[in-house]
Amino acid sequence: DIVMTQSPLSLPVTPGESASISCRSSQSLLHSNGYNYLDWYVQKPGQSPQLLIYLGSSRASGVPDRFNGSGSGTDFTLEINRVEAEDVAVYYCMQALQTPPWTFGQGTKVEIK
Amino acid sequence: QVQLVESGGGVVQPGTSLRLSCVASGFSFSSYGMHWVRQAPGRGLEWVAFMKYDGSDKFFADSVKGRFTISRDISKNTLFLQMNSLRVEDTAVYYCARVRDNHSPLRFWGQGTLVSVSS
Repeated sequence: DIVMTQSPLSLPVTPGESASISCRSSQSLLHSNGYNYLDWYVQKPGQSPQLLIYLGSSRASGVPDRFNGSGSGTDFTLEINRVEAEDVAVYYCMQALQTPPWTFGQGTKVEIK
Repeated sequence: QVQLVESGGGVVQPGTSLRLSCVASGFSFSSYGMHWVRQAPGRGLEWVAFMKYDGSDKFFADSVKGRFTISRDISKNTLFLQMNSLRVEDTAVYYCARVRDNHSPLRFWGQGTLVSVSS
């Protein structure tokens, strides 16, 4: 099974500054078709998870361009630019290449300083 | 618009059974794969089960294999998770989510239903 490892697990951020979350997979998520099967989800307090980024770097519908996904192979990053109070949430990465099982990272809790 | 509504959660004793439902609307239910994902209190997300769009493939996490089954009633646009031999560690909010295929992102999620297994 592919193991997903996120860091940090907790990330205090000052509003207006940037935040960066790392996600590493135990095996490459790069398919022969050139796509990385790595998705990012956000779960705001009291809500269901929502898709944020798919295929490593494509924003889901309605996601502000402050959110950017990057990386390839085994190393991925979610960057949140100009953090706002509404970005307080837990962010998860998930791999969808070698399935089953689908595996999530532990989650990174972003909070405002 | 796409809607997924879970139900069937509750408080049950270890060793008993429960069936969760996920009613889908706003899309062609038979054309999409469906996942169950759970979240224990204060913990992260854990994938539980998947059914391919045509029902030909069903997969389960090792933690529930042999105890949980996934099924659907296309006529009722409903996905089910039959949970048998429940354990305390199955306590979680259970979400259903829609995907296009095995590699697709979980683009739509329900609001979840809470299952609490306690003696």
